[in-house]
Order: sequence, then C-alpha cells, then structure tokens
Amino acid sequence: QKEVEQNSGPLSVPEGAIASLNCTYSDRGSQSFFWYRQYSGKSPELIMFIYSNGDKEDGRFTAQLNKASQYVSLLIRDSQPSDSATYLCASIGGGTSYGKLTFGQGTILTVHP
Amino acid sequence: KAGVTQTPRYLIKTRGQQVTLSCSPISGHRSVSWYQQTPGQGLQFLFEYFSETQRNKGNFPGRFSGRQFSNSRSEMNVSTLELGDSALYLCASRFDRGPDGYTFGSGTRLTVV
Repeated sequence: QKEVEQNSGPLSVPEGAIASLNCTYSDRGSQSFFWYRQYSGKSPELIMFIYSNGDKEDGRFTAQLNKASQYVSLLIRDSQPSDSATYLCASIGGGTSYGKLTFGQGTILTVHP
Repeated sequence: KAGVTQTPRYLIKTRGQQVTLSCSPISGHRSVSWYQQTPGQGLQFLFEYFSETQRNKGNFPGRFSGRQFSNSRSEMNVSTLELGDSALYLCASRFDRGPDGYTFGSGTRLTVV
C-alpha cells in the first residue's frame, strides 16, 4: 500500500464547476498535509497546507482534513481553465520522518471552457 | 524575496560520469530537501539537510549524496550515472519545523545518455 494515495484521474470538470480532489494516507504519525499544483514542465507550487481536523479555506480553495479517516481533500470552487494542472497531495511525518515529504502520484485536472 | 534557485537548469551527461547540482534556498530557510521526479515513479524523496547535517534520507543508492554549507546552500552529487538517473531533480526549502510547506525551485533536468 502506498503511503499517500490520490483518487485516480484524470478529472475533467466544466468551467465554473467544483473540482474535488481526494487523498488518503497510511501513516497515522503524519502531522501536516499539503496540496501542490504542478503545471506541465514546471515545478510544484504550494497551494495550501492543513494540519488540524476540519476545513481551511483560501479564496477558491478549501482543504479538508479528517485524521480519524486518514483523509485529505481539496475543493476548487468556480474552476477556471487556468486551474488545469496536476495536483499533488503530500504529507510530512513526525519523529524520524520529519522533513520528508511523501507525495501521492498526482491527479490530472482539466477544466474545459 | 528571491525564491529557491537551482543550477544548472538542464544537463546532459554520459553514463558513468558524475554530476553535481546546486541549490540556493530562500533567504532564512535552513531546511533543504531534494527530490527526484520521473514519469513512472513520481516525486521521490532523496534527502533533507538542516544546519549542515543530513537529517533524513530516502531509499536511493549510495551513488546519490548531498551536503549543505553554512550558508544553507546545498549540493547533491550523483556518481557513476545510469540511464535511469534521467529525471527532474527538485530542491525545496523551508524555515524549519512547523506546519508550513516547502517551496520548490525550478529544478534541474538531467538527461543521461
């Protein structure tokens, strides 16, 4: 079992819709969770991080964390064609794993006009 | 403020050679980590440095090594290059502990021929 798994893609949504990206993790010691966006040929760009159970909102983006279910999600409201990219979920652990980001395989999102 | 700077951007090497990649973190950031990204394996953690000490290491062979200098700049070295080492090598930095995520550089695209 992979440590961080993302819902299989690719995901295609119409412009203006809500895109929902999901991620599960296996290490209960994971402390913080991150969503990165990566455009083709570019490096990952941090969108949001979350470390407490519940929701965290930043503009059109909402991250949700449920530690009991070991589940993280990212909602993108009013999706735009410029949101088309690969979205990477990542976790960072505690103890000896501190400083190590573990990434999921990524979900390709396409927002069509 | 300046972001994470990686040099060179592109590199072509021959099998058996060695290569050194450089990373300058964001000013004030003391933790620097390195990742390898390939289409098949995704983003994989190589190692993390803090205050010139390797704090964490991924599952890569000993041909992959790194170091960090007193000014937090970091280098990674790959010896006896293999075709499978062709990848995008990404450096990321952050201040240190805390929930915030890593900021990635633009990466070095290494091609081994």
